[in-house]
Order: sequence, then structure tokens, then C-alpha cells
Amino acid sequence: AQSVTQLDSHVSVSEGTPVLLRCNYSSSYSPSLFWYVQHPNKGLQLLLKYTSAATLVKGINGFEAEFKKSETSFHLTKPSAHMSDAAEYFCVVSGLSSNTGKLIFGQGTTLQVKP
Amino acid sequence: DGGITQSPKYLFRKEGQNVTLSCEQNLNHDAMYWYRQDPGQGLRLIYYSQIVNDFQKGDIAEGYSVSREKKESFPLTVTSAQKNPTAFYLCASRGAGANVLTFGAGSRLTVL
Repeated sequence: AQSVTQLDSHVSVSEGTPVLLRCNYSSSYSPSLFWYVQHPNKGLQLLLKYTSAATLVKGINGFEAEFKKSETSFHLTKPSAHMSDAAEYFCVVSGLSSNTGKLIFGQGTTLQVKP
Repeated sequence: DGGITQSPKYLFRKEGQNVTLSCEQNLNHDAMYWYRQDPGQGLRLIYYSQIVNDFQKGDIAEGYSVSREKKESFPLTVTSAQKNPTAFYLCASRGAGANVLTFGAGSRLTVL
């Protein structure tokens, strides 16, 4: 079975400091992994995705994530936080039956950015 | 611009009433999905449809119903059988051969 665990439910950083949102996954085969962002009362927007190409994936708004198979991790980082980055972030793995497009969502990490 | 439109954005319902949430997409996507979001629980799949006139139950289908009469539309009915319907509902779609979902802005349902 596949699963995804976001290790922190809440992360607080100061503006201009680095961001690290942690995600571990479990999969019996090489998965597709995603990070989505959700601002309050909005839908989800794709930040980036990993689909077995380069292990370091660059996304929008300066975010990037590194796929580490040995650690089963897909942590999201950004060198310098901006106030507009405050949102909820979801780590997502594609389901075993990938042709259905079923996704398995982590519990979410709320990112707070302090001025 | 192509996208997914959900309506209404906010909806209040009395206990015992059925309500229908609308989801329309103009992306020409074959597959559509309904998710429920509760605080601290991520997103849970209610129903999905890969083609017109066909749909499958997701992980939490009890108390919900859907239809897929048109490619563009995938309405969700929250029935009175749903014991705890207050939540944020998200509709999504996916194009053929892709594994990325495009989401609507969501509908927040509150049962009074």
C-alpha cells in the first residue's frame, strides 16, 4: 500500500529565512510525487511534481524538492520565505492504479511566515 | 481561460436536506473527482469519474451521490444520509495521459 506522511503539521519561519517542509512516502514501486499549495478558502495549486526524471525538481515561486529514494523522502524547500508563502502545503503520491489518477494526500503542513 | 468552476462558494443547509454542489470544467478533461477536506485530515476522495456516464466510489462515498451526464459537468449531491456533511468540498479534473489534477476553488458547506 502507498502512503505519505508530512512530518510537521505546522511550521513557522521568519520572512527571508529558509523554508523546509518534510514529507516521507511509502510505495512498493517508483512513485510520482507532488507538492500542492492551498491558500485559505481556495483550491489547490500544483507547486511541482516528480515523475522519475531529475531527482531535484524546481517548481513555481522559488520552491524546489529533492526525491531521495534511499530515505523515501520528498522534502520541499525554499531559500527565502516571503509573506505570500503563508499557506497550507500538501505532499501527494499517485495511487497504485495510476491510470485512475487517484492521489493519496498527506495531512498537510501549515506554513506561517512572520514579518 | 480554461478552468474549473465550483458553485456555490458557500452553502448553508438544514439537517435532513439534500444539497447539490456544481462542478463545471472547460478543459476538455475526461476524468473528474470530488474530494472532501476537513481540518488536519488532508483530502479524502468521495467519487471519481473517468468517462461520461461512468463513475466509481472513492474512500468516503457513503451519503453522497454523483452523476456524469456531460463531459463538462460532475455535480455532487450531499444527501441527508451523510452524518457529518460540514466540510470544504473540492472538485478536480485530469486530462488524458496526465497524472496532475487541476482543482476548482472549492465549496464550503455548513449544516445548521
